[in-house]
Amino acid sequence: SQQGEEDPQALSIQEGENATMNCSYKTSINNLQWYRQNSGRGLVHLILIRSNEREKHSGRLRVTLDTSKKSSSLLITASRAADTASYFCATEVSGGSNYKLTFGKGTLLTVNP
Amino acid sequence: ETGVTQTPRHLVMGMTNKKSLKCEQHLGHNAMYWYKQSAKKPLELMFVYNFKEQTENNSVPSRFSPECPNSSHLFLHLHTLQPEDSALYLCASSRGQETQYFGPGTRLLVL
Repeated sequence: SQQGEEDPQALSIQEGENATMNCSYKTSINNLQWYRQNSGRGLVHLILIRSNEREKHSGRLRVTLDTSKKSSSLLITASRAADTASYFCATEVSGGSNYKLTFGKGTLLTVNP
Repeated sequence: ETGVTQTPRHLVMGMTNKKSLKCEQHLGHNAMYWYKQSAKKPLELMFVYNFKEQTENNSVPSRFSPECPNSSHLFLHLHTLQPEDSALYLCASSRGQETQYFGPGTRLLVL
């Protein structure tokens, strides 16, 4: 497996429900970031959590980080059809090359109206 | 709009053609990146430039040639590509090592 892996690969929910996506990684990190990508477009940064942080919030987004389990989760509350997109986690590896993020394959979230 | 623009948005080229992708950022960032995104594969980092100097070449074939004339502009010159090079090519920029801002991408099809 690679440095960052999202789970599940695809998630389909109804509008108003919460969506939870998970990311696991293999090596020590400086930070972990979540990005969103609408079909065929560029990625948009959502939130960054540093290795010494356990939880962060931004609007309807909540990110947790468990460095002992090498995992992170992204929770989107009260989902909307406009949240339909692919979500990627990216890690900056400790002691790795400067300016290098490693991305997972992503979770495709579909929010049905 | 993220402040990072890419042209062209779509490109179809033959295997013997030479073309260039352009990226421009209006954010005052010092680092710029090229990524390749293929179906069902993770985003692949290709090149990193920091203050115009290349700091990362992720074992990219020489048929891809990057150029960074200044911190605001990044090019990817393409020559004798293969059909498997068809993908979405994304440019990004950052100030420092954290949040990256992505352009909309160039969808490349090699025939």
